[in-house]
Amino acid sequence: GQNIDQPTEMTATEGAIVQINCTYQTSGFNGLFWYQQHAGEAPTFLSYNVLDGLEEKGRFSSFLSRSKGYSYLLLKELQMKDSASYLCAVRSARGKLQFGAGTQVVVTP
Amino acid sequence: EAQVTQNPRYLITVTGKKLTVTCSQNMNHEYMSWYRQDPGLGLRQIYYSMNVEVTDKGDVPEGYKVSRKEKRNFPLILESPSPNQTSLYFCASSLGTNTGELFFGEGSRLTVL
Repeated sequence: GQNIDQPTEMTATEGAIVQINCTYQTSGFNGLFWYQQHAGEAPTFLSYNVLDGLEEKGRFSSFLSRSKGYSYLLLKELQMKDSASYLCAVRSARGKLQFGAGTQVVVTP
Repeated sequence: EAQVTQNPRYLITVTGKKLTVTCSQNMNHEYMSWYRQDPGLGLRQIYYSMNVEVTDKGDVPEGYKVSRKEKRNFPLILESPSPNQTSLYFCASSLGTNTGELFFGEGSRLTVL
């Protein structure tokens, strides 16, 4: 089975950096995703890691350590529009995808 | 435009009245899946399909059925809806089981009275 943990909420000021951690346990790892979701909307894709290391995409970066069962999403130069829920999701070898409960990021002026 | 389309977007129904939520994608994706989202519980996978005629249970399949007779369509069937199935439902698809991005539909908000 899979078990995914991430913090419930984080608050940061505009222009700052925030790091959202995600730990997981899975039987057969086949990729880790990060999604952003604004209230009442569908999740939108941010990043995908299947190998260890850092993937950078503009202001967003995602890191994966498979041996530690650990990932983080780094949001730089925070903007007000970054206030949203950030979902960590892990896919198993058989294609089953499990999401964490999400981390609500609140960006303050 | 590449998209995943769900219908209906909003539905209020009563206990026991069978309903179907349709999901269609126009990207020739092999992998399709259904999720429900409830406050504090995040997205939970109901069923998924790796290809036509291949479906598997996710974490919360009880009370739901699916079928995958064609590549583009993956309907979610509630044979006898109950109030605990009141939720926000999302359909999603990706190119394959081992390829990255999962594209989501806009969501279907279902209320069972």
